[in-house]
Amino acid sequence: DIQMTQSPSSLSASVGDRVTITCRASQGISNYLAWYQQKPGKVPKLLIYAASTLQSGVPSRFSGSGSGTDFTLTISSLQPEDVATYYCQKYNSAHFTFGPGTKVDIK
Amino acid sequence: QVQLVESGGGVVQPGRSLRLSCAASGFTFSSYGMHWVRQAPGKGLEWVTLISYDGSDKYYGDSVKGRFTISRDNSKNTLYLQMNSLRPEDTAVYYCAKGISRIAVAPFDYWGQGILVTVSS
Repeated sequence: DIQMTQSPSSLSASVGDRVTITCRASQGISNYLAWYQQKPGKVPKLLIYAASTLQSGVPSRFSGSGSGTDFTLTISSLQPEDVATYYCQKYNSAHFTFGPGTKVDIK
Repeated sequence: QVQLVESGGGVVQPGRSLRLSCAASGFTFSSYGMHWVRQAPGKGLEWVTLISYDGSDKYYGDSVKGRFTISRDNSKNTLYLQMNSLRPEDTAVYYCAKGISRIAVAPFDYWGQGILVTVSS
């Protein structure tokens, strides 16, 4: 089975900072990678799919990149409403493994 | 607008069964793959199971294979999860989620609010 890892597990940054989260697959998954945002007490929300395609309605400060085994989610200018846990997910096969999550806080 | 509403959760003893339902509206239910995803208290997301748009294909995570069964009734726009031989480690909020396209291997664009299942004696 393909395992998904994320780093860091948590981070604290200032409003306006550029934030980067990394997701790594244990085997190549092409670009079958999605990112979700889960705010405290809320339902997960799809941000990005196909590694770099922004879901409709998602602010343009979010972007994704990568292919194969290494992927990144970038928030170009961190906002207070971005406080959340971010999960990557592979979907190259019918086993939709999520990464362990990265918790993002405001410093 | 798309709505997914789960029901059927609650407290159940280990070894017993429970059936969750997810009522869908606001989209053509019979055209999309549907999933169950769970989240144990304070933990991350775990994909549980997928059913294809027409119910012909079903896939399960290793932790529930042989105990859980996913099904759907496209005439009622409803998704189900039959959970048998429940264990304390099945305690979680269970979400139903809609695939973004007709293709089974696709990310999830809408999620229900979730329903809590607690397995405890």
